[in-house]
Amino acid sequence: AQRVTQPEKLLSVFKGAPVELKCNYSYSGSPELFWYVQYSRQRLQLLLRHISRESIKGFTADLNKGETSFHLKKPFAQEEDSAMYYCALYSSASKIIFGSGTRLSIRP
Amino acid sequence: NAGVTQTPKFQVLKTGQSMTLQCAQDMNHEYMSWYRQDPGMGLRLIHYSVGAGITDQGEVPNGYNVSRSTTEDFPLRLLSAAPSQTSVYFCASEAGGPHNEQFFGPGTRLTVL
Repeated sequence: AQRVTQPEKLLSVFKGAPVELKCNYSYSGSPELFWYVQYSRQRLQLLLRHISRESIKGFTADLNKGETSFHLKKPFAQEEDSAMYYCALYSSASKIIFGSGTRLSIRP
Repeated sequence: NAGVTQTPKFQVLKTGQSMTLQCAQDMNHEYMSWYRQDPGMGLRLIHYSVGAGITDQGEVPNGYNVSRSTTEDFPLRLLSAAPSQTSVYFCASEAGGPHNEQFFGPGTRLTVL
């Protein structure tokens, strides 16, 4: 079965501390994974995709096929990073499987 | 470009009432989807469409109907509203392909009493 698991509902860290939001997936083929973010009162939007191997707003995510993980990391958290983060798996056209989300709260 | 638009922003229904949530996109995207967002459950796919005239069921389709008569519009119909359908509904569109991102609308907050 195709599934995305985000084990933490809430993650609270101090400003300047490292951040790691966990994501594990279950998929039989070669996965296409994404991180989406929803800031307060804004639309859900793409943060990054694993295929691009990019760093956006200081965030990176590495696909680990052995551990079936796609954790999102940032070395130094900023207050503006507070948001809801969703890990997502591309199943087929227009069919994305989302995790349950992790609310990241950055304390000053 | 307005992107993905949804109306209404808020709606309160009584149990048994029907209504249609509107979704439109002006990006000429072939693919469109409807999700519901519930606390602790993330976004769950209700219905999706890979082009005009083609729709299919997602994870939680019961109680909802969709149609796709044009590329631009993808309305979601609640046939007989139930309190379990209280949620935030998001429409999204995608240009297609595995590397393309989903563009989301602002959402419709629906309460069923």
